[in-house]
Amino acid sequence: AAGVIQSPRHLIKEKRETATLKCYPIPRHDTVYWYQQGPGQDPQFLISFYEKMQSDKGSIPDRFSAQQFSDYHSELNMSSLELGDSALYFCASSLEGVAGNEQFFGPGTRLTVL
Amino acid sequence: AQTVTQSQPEMSVQEAETVTLSCTYDTSENNYYLFWYKQPPSRQMILVIRQEAYKQQNATENRFSVNFQKAAKSFSLKISDSQLGDTAMYFCALIFYGQNFVFGPGTRLSVLP
Repeated sequence: AAGVIQSPRHLIKEKRETATLKCYPIPRHDTVYWYQQGPGQDPQFLISFYEKMQSDKGSIPDRFSAQQFSDYHSELNMSSLELGDSALYFCASSLEGVAGNEQFFGPGTRLTVL
Repeated sequence: AQTVTQSQPEMSVQEAETVTLSCTYDTSENNYYLFWYKQPPSRQMILVIRQEAYKQQNATENRFSVNFQKAAKSFSLKISDSQLGDTAMYFCALIFYGQNFVFGPGTRLSVLP
């Protein structure tokens, strides 16, 4: 079965650069969530989208933005990168009203800021 | 490959009673973390409790405690004095430092008044 796809899997950037992470949900899933996990830290919810509209917002810095496109894939845009942004970013997708909105997580994108 | 199994898709418990959610996992790694996450209707993933695999002592966090059996690769969650606000989906998760989560399929817990 198709799973959540994230690209790239690994990304290395310099401070103050920008980065764009992409998430392709499971086909027909209409909700995407983004999480950030620092080394040895708990994953922190960043933001979620349902039907291309922002549905919930967590601890997303103002330097980050995200959107969900008409094909339901989502992109997380990160600007003015800081060393503390080095983390594993994973997204999850779910289908509203199905299986209790069970989230299926992608493998994550490992971002390293030098 | 690492796998996490939660054999109870749904459970219910009366308010103020105790419930135990089961979780088993499979890994060949020796250093890892185990987590229980709660996902309420808000859909945010809320950390309930964590256990470092190298620690033999079972983790506790207020009304939540785990029974970690490393040799058996078992990591169950006990919720004491269940409250209505405990109603949520509970995910058991396995993680290796710097790598992606491996979550179980979840257990939907309903706390009944």
